[in-house]
Amino acid sequence: KQEVTQIPAALSVPEGENLVLNCSFTDSAIYNLQWFRQDPGKGLTSLLLIQSSQREQTSGRLNASLDKSSGRSTLYIAASQPGDSATYLCAVSPAFSGGYNKLIFGAGTRLAVHP
Amino acid sequence: GAGVSQSPSNKVTEKGKDVELRCDPISGHTALYWYRQSLGQGLEFLIYFQGNSAPDKSGLPSDRFSAERTGGSVSTLTIQRTQQEDSAVYLCASSQQLNGGELFFGEGSRLTVL
Repeated sequence: KQEVTQIPAALSVPEGENLVLNCSFTDSAIYNLQWFRQDPGKGLTSLLLIQSSQREQTSGRLNASLDKSSGRSTLYIAASQPGDSATYLCAVSPAFSGGYNKLIFGAGTRLAVHP
Repeated sequence: GAGVSQSPSNKVTEKGKDVELRCDPISGHTALYWYRQSLGQGLEFLIYFQGNSAPDKSGLPSDRFSAERTGGSVSTLTIQRTQQEDSAVYLCASSQQLNGGELFFGEGSRLTVL
């Protein structure tokens, strides 16, 4: 059974720091991996999607890497800002017929960036 | 629409009552998903609809839960005889791609069962 773990569970940093959020998964048979952001009381916003054949994706100050064989992904946030404060969720799409659409989520990393 | 729209945003109901939650996906998206987010359980897959295919209901927790999607667009999630453990945020998402595409989520419907 696929399990997704995110470390750390919570993180508080001063503005301007570069951050690394970690995601690990137990079964390397994945179709893709997605990183989402969730603000309090809101839905999820897709940040980056990495296909299983890719090693990384970048969007602005965000960079996500994927090492499928070791079951790991990292989300790198450069020059953090208070507006980055949110919960960051990692989710994998299982690579079996009928499984692609059943994302399995980690519990998230709650990030607080203070001025 | 511009994004996934869900209603109601908040629903408080008494134990034993039925509730309906509505989702209006992004126009043109063929796949629609329901997830549940509750304290201590994280995000759980409930059901997805993909084009005209039969829905995958494998995540529904009990037969009190059902969902339909009319005309390939709007979806309704129905919970019958609600229980306190049904209290959660119910999130709907849609995707343009049929398999494993990027998901776009609505802001959710927060259900509280007293």
